[in-house]
Amino acid sequence: QLQLQESGPGLVKPSETLSLTCTVSGGSTSSSSHYWGWIRQPPGRGLEWIGSFTYGGSSFYSPSLKSRVTISVDTSKNQFSLKVTSVTAADTAVYYCARHPPWGSLEFWGQGALVTVSS
Amino acid sequence: EIVMTQSPATLSVSPGEGATLSCRASHSINRNLGWYQKKPGQAPRLLIYDASTRATGIPARFSGSGSGTEFTLTISSLQSEDSAVYYCQQCNDWPLTFGGGTKVEIK
Repeated sequence: QLQLQESGPGLVKPSETLSLTCTVSGGSTSSSSHYWGWIRQPPGRGLEWIGSFTYGGSSFYSPSLKSRVTISVDTSKNQFSLKVTSVTAADTAVYYCARHPPWGSLEFWGQGALVTVSS
Repeated sequence: EIVMTQSPATLSVSPGEGATLSCRASHSINRNLGWYQKKPGQAPRLLIYDASTRATGIPARFSGSGSGTEFTLTISSLQSEDSAVYYCQQCNDWPLTFGGGTKVEIK
């Protein structure tokens, strides 16, 4: 059974870079059959897709975050990562990693990681 | 960007009754739509994909329908554990987009 687990600092200072890692077990990040993505949910608000990629293929990002977001993969560790630069309080959220097929729904999710942006 | 609009924002239903949740897309998304259940402190759970196919382990009381721009999630005979926020999400085009959610409350 595929499992995903987010990890990273729970507190980030304003203007700094938020970094999270998603560790995958029961599946391979080097599979080109699926997309791996990040989604977030700010407190009291709805779900927001951040971006997705497929190994050896394309990456796609939310237009509203594209200038500040990078998603990368380390297949040797079976992990993929999210970086968001120049964070503000508006980036405070629970961040989820997930897997989905091309043009498919987000079928597997991590448990989520709360990141708070505060000085 | 495809905008997803859900209605109503909140639905209050007695146990055993049914609930109908709506989702509208600003452009046709064929049947490339998923429905998710979100409870506090838990990850979203995929209920329905391809507009009408139940995901693994999802009870038969959850059903989806629709195509193009109009979609519906129906929960028949609500149970207490169905209290949650439900989101639709289109996967027809990038960027992926979610609706604002419908909160289902059990009376």
